[in-house]
Amino acid sequence: EPEVTQTPSHQVTQMGQEVILRCVPISNHLYFYWYRQILGQKVEFLVSFYNNEISEKSEIFDDQFSVERPDGSNFTLKIRSTKLEDSAMYFCASSTNNGELFFGEGSRLTVL
Amino acid sequence: AQKVTQAQTEISVVEKEDVTLDCVYETRDTTYYLFWYKQPPSGELVFLIRRNSFDEQNEISGRYSWNFQKSTSSFNFTITASQVVDSAVYFCALGGPNDYKLSFGAGTTVTVRA
Repeated sequence: EPEVTQTPSHQVTQMGQEVILRCVPISNHLYFYWYRQILGQKVEFLVSFYNNEISEKSEIFDDQFSVERPDGSNFTLKIRSTKLEDSAMYFCASSTNNGELFFGEGSRLTVL
Repeated sequence: AQKVTQAQTEISVVEKEDVTLDCVYETRDTTYYLFWYKQPPSGELVFLIRRNSFDEQNEISGRYSWNFQKSTSSFNFTITASQVVDSAVYFCALGGPNDYKLSFGAGTTVTVRA
């Protein structure tokens, strides 16, 4: 069964460092998303991406964040200068136009 | 604004008991989508169901069933004859008509004891 894959599964970084989280969405999907979940809290929307541009972003998604689809398969989330409060599980998701989101297994980011 | 409320923070049951998870939502959209996801201890989010606002038929999938009541803005989820493997956090989520940005509830932790 096709699935969304994310790498790395866990990354530890120092505050102020840049981090790139990678995602390979399901191949025929057109919409891509990043969500995050701070430990023990609800899952929160960060950004949606369609047709090579951001379609919507939340207030969490500030200038420190960026997304990119550098080739036909990868979808990346970059955090330019990580803060302690960026520590969370980051989920990539993708969907067709039927709105059925499939999530990856998540990338746990720990900022020290 | 969209809002999802899962009033039950934790539920603990003994194996084979039924468990019902409540979900109440708020939206101004006339077309919207409701979801349930399971998050086992390993952390991934597992899609369980998606229901659009025009389809109020209840659905059953194996031991899982869903009761959508538009009149009370509720989309409740029942696990029948629970098993230890059902232990997880369950999230209800709401999506709008033209985008698929989901608003998640706070989640309900279900613990099934042998």
